Amino acid sequence: SQTIHQWPATLVQPVGSPLSLECTVEGTSNPNLYWYRQAAGRGLQLLFYSVGIGQISSEVPQNLSASRPQDRQFILSSKKLLLSDSGFYLCAWGGLAGPPDTQYFGPGTRLTVL
Amino acid sequence: GESVGLHLPTLSVQEGDNSIINCAYSNSASDYFIWYKQESGKGPQFIIDIRSNMDKRQGQRVTVLLNKTVKHLSLQIAATQPGDSAVYFCAERVVFGNEKLTFGTGTRLTIIP
Repeated sequence: SQTIHQWPATLVQPVGSPLSLECTVEGTSNPNLYWYRQAAGRGLQLLFYSVGIGQISSEVPQNLSASRPQDRQFILSSKKLLLSDSGFYLCAWGGLAGPPDTQYFGPGTRLTVL
Repeated sequence: GESVGLHLPTLSVQEGDNSIINCAYSNSASDYFIWYKQESGKGPQFIIDIRSNMDKRQGQRVTVLLNKTVKHLSLQIAATQPGDSAVYFCAERVVFGNEKLTFGTGTRLTIIP
């Protein structure tokens, strides 16, 4: 079966510090991978998605970036965090291993920027 | 732009009763819909999906209804339990082969013991 991992689970960072969040998927090959951000009490905002290694599509302008160095690894980064970057970051996978249109989410990373 | 929205942001239901969570979508080209459940501090969990060539689909204690005429989607939960308390999101895929989903803002369901 497929599993998706995210770490860290929680993170508190000062404004201006760098960020690296990691997401890995097991049990599937060539998944589509997604990064979402969820503000408190709000819906999901798609930040990036990737259909393959090195292929990244950005949905919103921001100071975040994403990379996919390996088939089942997706990384969300920032060089300098802003207060507005606080939120709940969710990684998801989708693709042929399951129903091709469904996305399955990881446990999330709670980021607080102070 | 196109959007997926919810009629009610909160819903309280007595334990054991049935609940109905509604969702409106605006794009008639949407061909696939999903309901997710998100418990506090956790990632959304897939509940049930439905394609646009269907108007009803049932799972364990859950039923999704799709009314394409009025672009309305609903999630019915039968015999609610305390563990059903969560935020429920609907999501739509607008174009076949598009890898992206559009999510609604969510409805918070609270089960009253």
